[in-house]
Amino acid sequence: AQSVTQPDIHITVSEGASLELRCNYSYGATPYLFWYVQSPGQGLQLLLKYFSGDTLVQGIKGFEAEFKRSQSSFNLRKPSVHWSDAAEYFCAVGGRAGGTSYGKLTFGQGTILTVHP
Amino acid sequence: DAGVTQSPTHLIKTRGQQVTLRCSPKSGHDTVSWYQQALGQGPQFIFQYYEEEERQRGNFPDRFSGHQFPNYSSELNVNALLLGDSALYLCASSLPPSYEQYFGPGTRLTVT
Repeated sequence: AQSVTQPDIHITVSEGASLELRCNYSYGATPYLFWYVQSPGQGLQLLLKYFSGDTLVQGIKGFEAEFKRSQSSFNLRKPSVHWSDAAEYFCAVGGRAGGTSYGKLTFGQGTILTVHP
Repeated sequence: DAGVTQSPTHLIKTRGQQVTLRCSPKSGHDTVSWYQQALGQGPQFIFQYYEEEERQRGNFPDRFSGHQFPNYSSELNVNALLLGDSALYLCASSLPPSYEQYFGPGTRLTVT
């Protein structure tokens, strides 16, 4: 069974500081990995994704993530956080269900990011 | 290009009632997935529809059912509502072979 663990429930950083949000996954085959961001009361916006190839992936809003197979991790990073980055961040793992479609996404519990001015 | 839309935005129901939530996928997308997000939790997969059939289902009881129409829009039905069904219900669409899912803003269901 696939699962995702986000060890940090809540992280607080100062504006301009660097950020790393942790994500560990469990999946029986090559995973497809995603990071989503959710503002209060809103839907999910895709930040970045890893399907294959280069293990360092770039996303929107200056975010990047590194896939480390040996550690089963897909941590999200940003060199300099802006106040507008305050939100909840979800890591998700998915895979092919078979046929021409793809399977479900399994999400972590989320990490709430607070940014201090 | 319209993204994923969901209706209604908010809904209040009483225990035991039935509810129908609606989703229109992003233009050109033919696959719709539904997720339940309880307060303070990550979204949980309910089921996925493709070619008007349920392709995969998560660990949800039969009270949760769905439908996909020929225009790819979808409905989520929940019967015999329980207090624990109170959550944000998210719809996501995609177009295989892409693995990206695009999410709508969700429907906030409150069961009293």
